[in-house]
Amino acid sequence: KAGVTQTPRYLIKTRGQQVTLSCSPISGHRSVSWYQQTPGQGLQFLFEYFSETQRNKGNFPGRFSGRQFSNSRSEMNVSTLELGDSALYLCASSTASGSYEQYFGPGTRLTVT
Amino acid sequence: ELKVEQNPLFLSMQEGKNYTIYCNYSTTSDRLYWYRQDPGKSLESLFVLLSNGAVKQEGRLMASLDTKARLSTLHITAAVHDLSATYFCAVDFGTSGSRLTFGEGTQLTVNP
Repeated sequence: KAGVTQTPRYLIKTRGQQVTLSCSPISGHRSVSWYQQTPGQGLQFLFEYFSETQRNKGNFPGRFSGRQFSNSRSEMNVSTLELGDSALYLCASSTASGSYEQYFGPGTRLTVT
Repeated sequence: ELKVEQNPLFLSMQEGKNYTIYCNYSTTSDRLYWYRQDPGKSLESLFVLLSNGAVKQEGRLMASLDTKARLSTLHITAAVHDLSATYFCAVDFGTSGSRLTFGEGTQLTVNP
């Protein structure tokens, strides 16, 4: 079974630009969650989508948004990039039942200059 | 406030030694997860602990959960260099199981 895939793996953007990251979950998984990892703040929950609906949202500004498509693939968008948005963005998929175990993708490393 | 605290944050140990990483959390939860992260890599799932008293073992690692004390431990037995990594515990405080609150991580270095 293929794992969670994320594209692109690396990205360099300039302050003020916007960026879209993509995540394809494990086949059959309907829940996709996004996390931001930085050295200063650690791993923080961004949002979760289940069946194309945002079910949970973390404490991030409105510049961070996401969506989920009918095939469970998800995208997250960050508008008006700031230097502090430089981070590893991790996507995780889950069956959202049973153990609710989350399987993480390889991440997208975003650098904002 | 939903909080997960790990200690120690840094652990340097010699091969062959035993040690325990502690994970305390602030409020009731029946779902706790341990992950491993190698430098520059993603998170690898190690253990899923779903009930009070749960104990899981894989190789030299053993994890346990005490929901009454809001405490989980990750015990390392006879450490080897390959175990060098950062270990995170994460708690699901919600009902959907898809919103994890992570501890700060414990950076483990195993020296020959």
